[in-house]
Amino acid sequence: AQSVTQLGSHVSVSEGALVLLRCNYSSSVPPYLFWYVQYPNQGLQLLLKYTTGATLVKGINGFEAEFKKSETSFHLTKPSAHMSDAAEYFCAVSEGGTNAGKSTFGDGTTLTVKP
Amino acid sequence: DGGITQSPKYLFRKEGQNVTLSCEQNLNHDAMYWYRQDPGQGLRLIYYSQIVNDFQKGDIAEGYSVSREKKESFPLTVTSAQKNPTAFYLCASRPSLGGVPEAFFGQGTRLTVV
Repeated sequence: AQSVTQLGSHVSVSEGALVLLRCNYSSSVPPYLFWYVQYPNQGLQLLLKYTTGATLVKGINGFEAEFKKSETSFHLTKPSAHMSDAAEYFCAVSEGGTNAGKSTFGDGTTLTVKP
Repeated sequence: DGGITQSPKYLFRKEGQNVTLSCEQNLNHDAMYWYRQDPGQGLRLIYYSQIVNDFQKGDIAEGYSVSREKKESFPLTVTSAQKNPTAFYLCASRPSLGGVPEAFFGQGTRLTVV
């Protein structure tokens, strides 16, 4: 069975400050890991993904995440927050292969960016 | 443009009525998924289909039904047996075998029972 824990349902940062959204996972097989962003009343958009290979993954809008197997973590970071980053962020895990789309999602973290 | 279209965006239903949410994709994806989203609870899988004429229950299938008669379409029916149907519903798709592992999402349908 797989699961995802997002630490902190709400994170608030000032514009220009570092963004750090935390995600820990559990999986019985090597996982695929994802971060998605959701704006109000919209669908989810993929920010970045980890499948295999390089553990530091770069995504859209300046976000990146590092897969740390020993810590079972996949934290999302951005060096400098922008007002447009305010949204809800979801971490997800899947087993890959034909089950790759059958992901388990965390409960989400709402990011607020203060001017 | 290729993508996933969910309709309608907002839907109101009286208690005791069935209602069907539409999901159409022109990405030529084999697999399609329905998720339910409630505030603070993330996404929960309702049903999924990896091929036409076949579908599987997800984690919260009770009170819902689906069909997959065409590759492009995966409608979700919320039946009167669903005790708490008010939620945001998201449809997603992905290539089934090989290809990218992530799902592509529609814009969602917000269902409200009145």
